Amino acid sequence: DSGVTQTPKHLITATGQRVTLRCSPRSGDLSVYWYQQSLDQGLQFLIHYYNGEERAKGNILERFSAQQFPDLHSELNLSSLELGDSALYFCASSVAGLAFDKTINTDTQYFGPGTRLTVL
Amino acid sequence: GEDVEQSLFLSVREGDSSVINCTYTDSSSTYLYWYKQEPGAGLQLLTYIFSNMDMKQDQRLTVLLNKKDKHLSLRIADTQTGDSAIYFCAESSLQGGGYNKLIFGAGTRLAVHP
Repeated sequence: DSGVTQTPKHLITATGQRVTLRCSPRSGDLSVYWYQQSLDQGLQFLIHYYNGEERAKGNILERFSAQQFPDLHSELNLSSLELGDSALYFCASSVAGLAFDKTINTDTQYFGPGTRLTVL
Repeated sequence: GEDVEQSLFLSVREGDSSVINCTYTDSSSTYLYWYKQEPGAGLQLLTYIFSNMDMKQDQRLTVLLNKKDKHLSLRIADTQTGDSAIYFCAESSLQGGGYNKLIFGAGTRLAVHP
């Protein structure tokens, strides 16, 4: 158990709908990362939040958005869903995303169990 | 650019050693990682190595780092059927603003047979 929780575990919805995925990071971790894993695209980085602020964006579609709340949990919102959005969505957390002291590893990301999204 | 490459598949006999290889491109990576993903599960951190180290051993796992060739390997001794999974190599890549991002390879599927 990594200490990162994600809900729901499974989500089945229809095209055109909107869903919200939720993630609670490990206690003490300030950074939250979202990834999408699909068979054809592999593991794709979507977005990174640090202490409530967006820090980096990866291959995230405009239909997708995320936020991190004051209690550090994060939500990933997926709208106007398409069949191709069916995938596993992972959240990960780390102590921080800062790299000031390279001898202290604050980068290690701990992954949640994922949410499996099926769009029909 | 940032890229991590791994072979896609490895098959070994139970009890043998497995060696999973990875090459990366960012020479400034401070940490390199190995994660394991079992079917239907999330990524589990196996181990990581600091870039100024050549080797790290943790029970049945040995990580070798050749920084000159940007080559990382994971050796699993006495491979068991429970080791069957996908193994991801990742490098930390410094982004603008001082933040690191993990770049993952496509994963190596390890199949262990009797």
